[in-house]
Amino acid sequence: DGGITQSPKYLFRKEGQNVTLSCEQNLNHDAMYWYRQDPGQGLRLIYYSQIVNDFQKGDIAEGYSVSREKKESFPLTVTSAQKNPTAFYLCASSISGTFSRGIKNIQYFGAGTRLSVL
Amino acid sequence: DAKTTQPTSMDCAEGRAANLPCNHSTISGNEYVYWYRQIHSQGPQYIIHGLKNNETNEMASLIITEDRKSSTLILPHATLRDTAVYYCIVRVEGGNNRKLIWGLGTSLAVNP
Repeated sequence: DGGITQSPKYLFRKEGQNVTLSCEQNLNHDAMYWYRQDPGQGLRLIYYSQIVNDFQKGDIAEGYSVSREKKESFPLTVTSAQKNPTAFYLCASSISGTFSRGIKNIQYFGAGTRLSVL
Repeated sequence: DAKTTQPTSMDCAEGRAANLPCNHSTISGNEYVYWYRQIHSQGPQYIIHGLKNNETNEMASLIITEDRKSSTLILPHATLRDTAVYYCIVRVEGGNNRKLIWGLGTSLAVNP
């Protein structure tokens, strides 16, 4: 089945530790995104990538890092500099290229990773 | 991107139509209206989008007013599985920063 796979579903981070959240897609989408969601809140953009080997900061990039070495994969590292990492993390992808009629803004999401601090 | 306003919560009886409103009075001519929903503890799911005309797909219908300042998402026969938070977003096609602005949405409760 085509889709976006996030792993793990639950993750625990110790003080001072870096952790990496995995996001893999087989939709052949060029663009990928990482969001953070806090309880009762909307989604906030951390990083996004429109193409392999390129990515841009979103609204809340501090304390996070990403890489985009392959089209299918966009891992997110939550570094020790992120002092309040407890949240629900969502990965998404969207089609790119020369499409129109609003299709480029349709984002497809994974099931999410819930990160907690020990 | 234009700002949207949605009611915080709504209730609907199972089997009845759920009509979810969204105001976007500052929408510009090239901005599309998108609807997503998020079932508890899951990733958001795309529902439907439109520019000017009303749209229908297997999940829902989207009614956009003639002046485009508001829209309504219609779930024709709501089921318990439609209980979710529904987000209305307006956005130009593509754009340089690829950012969708997610508000708090409308929490829809479908009751038996």
